[in-house]
Amino acid sequence: RKEVEQDPGPFNVPEGATVAFNCTYSNSASQSFFWYRQDCRKEPKLLMSVYSSGNEDGRFTAQLNRASQYISLLIRDSKLSDSATYLCVVPNAGNNRKLIWGLGTSLAVNP
Amino acid sequence: DGGITQSPKYLFRKEGQNVTLSCEQNLNHDAMYWYRQDPGQGLRLIYYSQIVNDFQKGDIAEGYSVSREKKESFPLTVTSAQKNPTAFYLCASSIQAGEGTDTQYFGPGTRLTVL
Repeated sequence: RKEVEQDPGPFNVPEGATVAFNCTYSNSASQSFFWYRQDCRKEPKLLMSVYSSGNEDGRFTAQLNRASQYISLLIRDSKLSDSATYLCVVPNAGNNRKLIWGLGTSLAVNP
Repeated sequence: DGGITQSPKYLFRKEGQNVTLSCEQNLNHDAMYWYRQDPGQGLRLIYYSQIVNDFQKGDIAEGYSVSREKKESFPLTVTSAQKNPTAFYLCASSIQAGEGTDTQYFGPGTRLTVL
């Protein structure tokens, strides 16, 4: 299994739809996980940290499944402004100060 | 305003020249990082520093050098030894509290093009 793996997409959804992305990881000892969003030609920005079973922030919900080693990101009531690439990030197995970055899942929300 | 600044936003250099990218943070963060991002690839760690006057190589340090003389500053030099320097360079910082993994916050990036 790759250290971090994401479906690259693109996911094309209409406004108001619910969309979910999955991310699988190989380091079973990982304790913390992150979802970042990155707009085209911009820096990544933190969307959500996940330290236990999950986290929720408004329309965004992250869930962690340790047994199957994946984390998911659910976006409800999609907005046009949600169009971006979503990056899944996990700590390096040998050094948790270093992060392993997924390639990202591209989301396009259409009017 | 607290944050991370990188300059310049766009940089062009001729092949064979060294160039230094600036990164400054006023968040009082202990750790700082340099990544590069290429199309179709994830962020790759070049160098990181957990404390002033100390830094470690990341996964792709060859052809790069850094210094950490001040807590706020972590400049990256792209040397002529770097074979494919054209990329988007991102600087990040984190507070580094405790033994766990800390959230990293990014500057706006510098887009380097070698002509």
